[in-house]
Amino acid sequence: DTGVSQDPRHKITKRGQNVTFRCDPISEHNRLYWYRQTLGQGPEFLTYFQNEAQLEKSRLLSDRFSAERPKGSFSTLEIQRTEQGDSAMYLCASSLRPGTGAGANVLTFGAGSRLTVL
Amino acid sequence: TQLLEQSPQFLSIQEGENLTVYCNSSSVFSSLQWYRQEPGEGPVLLVTVVTGGEVKKLKRLTFQFGDARKDSSLHITAAQPGDTGLYLCAGVFFLRQFYFGTGTSLTVIP
Repeated sequence: DTGVSQDPRHKITKRGQNVTFRCDPISEHNRLYWYRQTLGQGPEFLTYFQNEAQLEKSRLLSDRFSAERPKGSFSTLEIQRTEQGDSAMYLCASSLRPGTGAGANVLTFGAGSRLTVL
Repeated sequence: TQLLEQSPQFLSIQEGENLTVYCNSSSVFSSLQWYRQEPGEGPVLLVTVVTGGEVKKLKRLTFQFGDARKDSSLHITAAQPGDTGLYLCAGVFFLRQFYFGTGTSLTVIP
């Protein structure tokens, strides 16, 4: 397994455009998390899935943000009508569900997708 | 606003010096983790502490979980340039939520 993969690594877009990020987690991991991080700050929780079910979504997440994990494997994060304030690194992480092994409760992160909104 | 506050936010020290990073919250966590992140990469787990008062050592790094499970510290002895990076604490709620701290950016000057 090659770890958590995110695509694209960098995205530059104009204000008002829609963007979509993809995350491929470690194959046996059933939990998947999305975070947003600005430079020098800690990651801010956005949402997480267990298998295909979206179990929690941050109240800070506006209606312009939507995430899916249709078959419980890869996930997509879409931002509609992007704003300059959306510029950030979008991080994906995966983990095993608690009680399912030594890797449970440990987040494995991808390298992130950096979004720049002009 | 983030649930966990880290201090200091920035730290620049000479190689060989000791340092301590603090992670504080008003919330109680089931466990607390420390991660390190290098530029252009995602955070990587260093340690998990579970029991109030627990102390864990990882070579020159010592991690402590507060008795009330609301705070934690990371102490680095004889810092080296390879220790440079962004240090993040993360509070774990009920085995499902990971909330990260505000981050401490460490630079170790050779």
